[in-house]
Amino acid sequence: DSGVTQTPKHLITATGQRVTLRCSPRSGDLSVYWYQQSLDQGLQFLIQYYNGEERAKGNILERFSAQQFPDLHSELNLSSLELGDSALYFCASSAFGNEQFFGPGTRLTVL
Amino acid sequence: AQSVAQPEDQVNVAEGNPLTVKCTYSVSGNPYLFWYVQYPNRGLQFLLKYITGDNLVKGSYGFEAEFNKSQTSFHLKKPSALVSDSALYFCAVGYSGGYQKVTFGTGTKLQVIP
Repeated sequence: DSGVTQTPKHLITATGQRVTLRCSPRSGDLSVYWYQQSLDQGLQFLIQYYNGEERAKGNILERFSAQQFPDLHSELNLSSLELGDSALYFCASSAFGNEQFFGPGTRLTVL
Repeated sequence: AQSVAQPEDQVNVAEGNPLTVKCTYSVSGNPYLFWYVQYPNRGLQFLLKYITGDNLVKGSYGFEAEFNKSQTSFHLKKPSALVSDSALYFCAVGYSGGYQKVTFGTGTKLQVIP
């Protein structure tokens, strides 16, 4: 158990819909990262937050957005969903300069 | 900009034999280097890291990695492979001053053959 929690574990939805994925980092970790993993794209970095502020952006689509709240949990919002958005979405957290601890992931299926 | 390359999509090794999974990196500044393992339908698990100090880093499950600055490499090794080591392995690089931005490689699938 990494100490990072993600909900929900599975999500099935239809094209055009909007979903919210939630992540709670390890106690004390200020950084939260979001990743998308699909079979054809590998592990793609989406976005990083540090203590509530956006710090780095990767290959995140405009239809996707994220935020980190004062209690340090984070949410990833995916809207106007397309079939190609079906993937595993991981959240990770870390303390400064150290390794990332990954959550178990949310498997999103868009039908 | 920082980058990391894992030149092999898949590595096959017989059980009991030594294994090596390759990783090379490019970064400005002093590198932070990491190895992670991912089992099917699971999140990535941290194996080991190099930030400073001894070039040979020991990690979980008997894995080790050697930092080679001149070759900009950080290969993952294990003296004797187990079938249970079969998984997807990711190398990652960050750098001091990079405010924790870490770049992951594309992953190498390790298959240990009984």
